[in-house]
Amino acid sequence: QVQLVESGGGVVQPGGSLRLSCAASGFIFSNYVMHWVRQAPGKGLEWVACIRYDGTKEYYADSVKGRFTISRDNSKSTLYLQMNSLRTEDTAVYYCSKDRLATTVTYSENWGQGTLVTVSS
Amino acid sequence: DIQMTQSPSSVSASVGDRVTITCRASQPISSWLAWYQQKPGKAPKLLIYAASTLQSGVPSRFSGSGSGTDFTLTISSLQPEDFATYFCQQVNYFPLTFGGGTKVGIK
Repeated sequence: QVQLVESGGGVVQPGGSLRLSCAASGFIFSNYVMHWVRQAPGKGLEWVACIRYDGTKEYYADSVKGRFTISRDNSKSTLYLQMNSLRTEDTAVYYCSKDRLATTVTYSENWGQGTLVTVSS
Repeated sequence: DIQMTQSPSSVSASVGDRVTITCRASQPISSWLAWYQQKPGKAPKLLIYAASTLQSGVPSRFSGSGSGTDFTLTISSLQPEDFATYFCQQVNYFPLTFGGGTKVGIK
């Protein structure tokens, strides 16, 4: 079955950097759009970014554009989120998710368990 | 950006009740809408996509309707495992956006 396992979360100071990873299994990773979605403590869901199946196109939320970079290594079935210039408001659980469809950005059909990122001095 | 407004923000209901949650988009999004269920400490779960298509494995007591700007999620007979928070999401335009959530609690 589809499995998504995030890692790389932790505590970082404002202005610092962190790279999240999402190891995928149980499906053909290279065929699907992948997403990052975050949830601040006690708050709702916020879509962060997504990347096409072949890595040729990325899309970002305005709140992270220019600071975060989504990427993927299809040979390793792994999704990444490089987070730079972190702010306290980036504190959240970060989920990776697999899209329903192979080549079009649509709905998050499967989700990982999430990894917590805390930005604090 | 497309704003997604859910109402109510919370509702108290009893087992067996019919529960309806609405989601309004600030611009027409055709049927590019999903509903997710999230329980405390857990990842969201896709319930309905394309406004009214039930995701595989989701009980038939869940249904979705609407198109354009106004959408509805209905739980026909609330079960104990349905107490959770529900989010809508539009995927017609970037950035993808979620509604603020509706918490379904026990009356």
